[in-house]
Formats: sequence, C-alpha cells, structure tokens
Amino acid sequence: GAVVSQHPSRVICKSGTSVKIECRSLDFQATTMFWYRQFPKQSLMLMATSNEGSKATYEQGVEKDKFLINHASLTLSTLTVTSAHPEDSSFYICSASGTVNEKLFFGSGTQLSVL
Amino acid sequence: SQKIEQNSEALNIQEGKTATLTCNYTNYSPAYLQWYRQDPGRGPVFLLLIRENEKEKRKERLKVTFDTTLKQSLFHITASQPADSATYLCALEARGSQGNLIFGKGTKLSVKP
Repeated sequence: GAVVSQHPSRVICKSGTSVKIECRSLDFQATTMFWYRQFPKQSLMLMATSNEGSKATYEQGVEKDKFLINHASLTLSTLTVTSAHPEDSSFYICSASGTVNEKLFFGSGTQLSVL
Repeated sequence: SQKIEQNSEALNIQEGKTATLTCNYTNYSPAYLQWYRQDPGRGPVFLLLIRENEKEKRKERLKVTFDTTLKQSLFHITASQPADSATYLCALEARGSQGNLIFGKGTKLSVKP
C-alpha cells in the first residue's frame, strides 16, 4: 500500500522556537495533503489542506501565520509551527491522497512538546 | 453542521467474541464512510470504505454496514484477538471538500485474553 513518511516522530522544544515537520509520500504523487492536530482522547481536527504549488486552505480558527504550510512538490509538504508555545503541544498528523483514491494515507504523526 | 458520533468511548470484550462499534452522523448524506484503526502515538490506518449504495462490506474478520436511513454505520470484528485492541475511528468526507475527512472521536477497543 501507499506509504506516507512523517518526520520527526517526536520533538521537544523551548517556547518561542520554530519547529518544522515534514510529510512525504514515498510511492505515489499526492495532489492534496492534509494536516491534522489531535489532542489526547480527542478526534483528529483538520488544520489545513494543501495542494501542490498553491497556498494552503486553513480551517477556521487556525492561524495561517503561525502554522506555515508549504507543499512545494507532489511528494512533500511541510508544516512549520512558528514561535511555538506550550498550548501548541499536540500530536500533529499529515495525510495524503492520490489522484483517484478516496481513502487517506496517514503519516505516523509527530508528538510536539513545547516547554 | 455536520456531526459524527461514536457513542462508546471504550469497549471491553473477551477474546473470541464479536466486537461491534457504532458510528452515527447527522446533517449530512455522505457518499461514503470509512473506518480507520489508530494505535497509541501513531497515525490512523485505513481499514474499510463503504459507499452509500452498499449495505455491507467485508474484509477478513471485519464487517461494516451502512444504513443511510438510520444514518449509521456498524463496524464488527469477529473472533476478536488481543491484537485487535486499538482505537477505531469512523470518518466521512466533509461536504464540498477536497477529500478532507471528518473523524469521530473514536472507540477504544480492549480485547482481553
């Protein structure tokens, strides 16, 4: 099956620093990638949708200047949490879909802890 | 607004029994509904997709039903095993989306030996 690689799996950083998370589709071209955030015992909440070569579409309440998304190629999307604060601590997961599949392929997630 | 609910936060069953998980949705008529498995600290893994014109779908020990009248999907695991212990999420495509899914909170299944 299709593989989505997400890196890093875990990051601990100081408040005020920026963190970049990478999401790669390894064996297919992902026209669309999604970024989710998940708090403990909660559902996945969509943060933004990104299409290759265009600006990301952010969900209501998600600050686009704080969560920078770049989808420069059909196999790579990055999420940068700028000036991270403790309340940004969460599990961030990316997913990708190909051109015809309806199901999503998820990365393994990134646990961000901001001290 | 679209709403998707998984009634049970947790379900505990004995090994060998059939686990049945419920997913209900409101204010929406999805073209299809999906089920995912999520293990702690991991991303969800796709299990099954069922379309609105399908009543039932099977894959090995898994069975999904889709009742568009009741706006409900049931997810069954027969002959459950401790390795089936995980959180199971149902999801449906957000209306007018680019394939984005709305997820339920999930049901944490624990299969005891």
